[in-house]
Amino acid sequence: DQQVKQNSPSLSVQEGRISILNCDYTNSMFDYFLWYKKYPAEGPTFLISISSIKDKNEDGRFTVFLNKSAKHLSLHIVPSQPGDSAVYFCAASGGRSGGGADGLTFGKGTHLIIQP
Amino acid sequence: DVKVTQSSRYLVKRTGEKVFLECVQDMDHENMFWYRQDPGLGLRLIYFSYDVKMKEKGDIPEGYSVSREKKERFSLILESASTNQTSMYLCASSPTSGRNEQFFGPGTRLTVL
Repeated sequence: DQQVKQNSPSLSVQEGRISILNCDYTNSMFDYFLWYKKYPAEGPTFLISISSIKDKNEDGRFTVFLNKSAKHLSLHIVPSQPGDSAVYFCAASGGRSGGGADGLTFGKGTHLIIQP
Repeated sequence: DVKVTQSSRYLVKRTGEKVFLECVQDMDHENMFWYRQDPGLGLRLIYFSYDVKMKEKGDIPEGYSVSREKKERFSLILESASTNQTSMYLCASSPTSGRNEQFFGPGTRLTVL
């Protein structure tokens, strides 16, 4: 049973426009959400995160919105740039614990393609 | 700047072999993690560790074990490799709370023939 869902395997956006990547989750225990960016043959790179006590977090061109009642979050990138072309993973923590650590539960990823 | 290194970028092994994947981090992080990434499945947590000699099962621990003898090093062991363990293996580390972002290594592409 997939607890974190990214229903769009790919998304194509024109350079300069807004990119919106969506993520849904089912586990009510999740209380912290992260977005990672991944280029081929590299490890994921942390982008931005949000705690469940907030509904918005902003960092430069990146904004994450959280709607707890709908169990939905989205990542907005504006303006989109060619270097943003990558696979974006939504991840969540809070569903398990061991000694204070908590592994992440990832979605399947969305491949964002920025068209020139 | 956090650095997580993995011993090999590419590895080819035969079915039944014992395989060791090594991961080292240089930021004195308490927590370390092993994931595998497969096409269409995203990243899935295999095992994690919150302290030396401590380990916890993740979502898909079957066929794997781990070892953490030193704080900076976390090893993933495939006792008897099988073809369905062909995958990209990613190691990550994070500071104490575990809720902070995890820093990932570059990954090891393992092929089991």
